[in-house]
Amino acid sequence: GAVVSQHPSRVICKSGTSVKIECRSLDFQATTMFWYRQFPKQSLMLMATSNEGSKATYEQGVEKDKFLINHASLTLSTLTVTSAHPEDSSFYICSARGSFWGNQPQHFGDGTRLSIL
Amino acid sequence: DAKTTQPTSMDCAEGRAANLPCNHSTISGNEYVYWYRQIHSQGPQYIIHGLKNNETNEMASLIITEDRKSSTLILPHATLRDTAVYYCLPQGAGGTSYGKLTFGQGTILTVHP
Repeated sequence: GAVVSQHPSRVICKSGTSVKIECRSLDFQATTMFWYRQFPKQSLMLMATSNEGSKATYEQGVEKDKFLINHASLTLSTLTVTSAHPEDSSFYICSARGSFWGNQPQHFGDGTRLSIL
Repeated sequence: DAKTTQPTSMDCAEGRAANLPCNHSTISGNEYVYWYRQIHSQGPQYIIHGLKNNETNEMASLIITEDRKSSTLILPHATLRDTAVYYCLPQGAGGTSYGKLTFGQGTILTVHP
């Protein structure tokens, strides 16, 4: 099946640091990638959608200057949490889809647990 | 976006069939019904999806009612490793929704020995 790799799996860093998370589709070309955030005991919340070669579309309430998304190739998208603070601590999950249209499912990475001290 | 209603939690004995219902009465004609599950501290795993017809794969079966207002995910022989949160999600095929998924709270399925 389709494999999505997310790296790193866990990050612990100091407040004010910027953190980059990578999401790679290993065996298919991902036209569209999604970034989610999940707080403890809550469901996944979509943060943004990125299509290869174009700017990401952010959900309402998500700061685009805070969460920088780059989708420069069909197999790689990155999320950079800039100047992270303790309230940014969360479980960040990416997913990838092989096409913009149609009924292909999203395939998810295993998530990155971000802890800001 | 279509809203879904799922039981908060369900129990199932190991080896028995687990039947997880989902109500999606406001689903639109071009939205598929997708099922994912999330095992603790992992990313969601795709299970199955369908539009109108019942579907079966190596993981599960999906039964969709004729009016498409509800569906049931069936795990034929549940194992302890099937303990997870199960999400039922309508997903559009494109256009303004471009495949966005809106996760609800899902059903916590606990499989016990």
